[in-house]
Amino acid sequence: EVQLVESGGGLIQPGGSLRLSCAASGFTVSSNFMTWVRQAPGKGLEWVSIIYNDDDTTYYADSVKGRFSISRDNSKNTLFLQMNSLRAEDTAVYYCASGLDIWGQGTMVTLSS
Amino acid sequence: EIVLTQSPGTLSLSPGERATLSCRASQSVFRSQLAWYLQKPGQAPRLLIYGASTRATGIPDRFSGSGSGTDFTLTISSLEPEDFAVYYCQQRSEWPLTFGGGTKVEIK
Repeated sequence: EVQLVESGGGLIQPGGSLRLSCAASGFTVSSNFMTWVRQAPGKGLEWVSIIYNDDDTTYYADSVKGRFSISRDNSKNTLFLQMNSLRAEDTAVYYCASGLDIWGQGTMVTLSS
Repeated sequence: EIVLTQSPGTLSLSPGERATLSCRASQSVFRSQLAWYLQKPGQAPRLLIYGASTRATGIPDRFSGSGSGTDFTLTISSLEPEDFAVYYCQQRSEWPLTFGGGTKVEIK
């Protein structure tokens, strides 16, 4: 079965760090571009970051640039999002996706002091 | 940044009715880089249409996409109960990739 499973979310204080993981099964994370998309409570969808499979080029939304880092471990067939200097406005469900059509179920990140 | 404006914000319709959703871009979007998603509460988005008009695998033919340049449309020919949800358009023409604000299709 083709699926993505995110993990690593939780409750964290502003200024802290988290590393989200996105484990793929039924296909490889190197087969297509991979993205992180987030959705704040009651809000719409926001692209966070992308890593292209052909040359590992990465891009980040301005809101997370310099604080978040996307990476991929092909040996573990897993995508990562390292999130540092977290802010209240980073509170959201974080989804990983492969290409356009394979999405994980999301992992919740909550910032609270 | 390409801003995608979806209208209307909410569409109140009955099952069996036709739904027409609009997505307008602040600058031209390559037709091949425009997609539509459906999202139900508590679920991840699901790809409906890519390349502006190509249905994704398993998507019924009551869903159709059209448009080019700055104006795109998603049409649902006859609403089924499972179609009541929020719909988003998305562009990949240039970074930052952007989503529209969404159109909620609710039961009248």
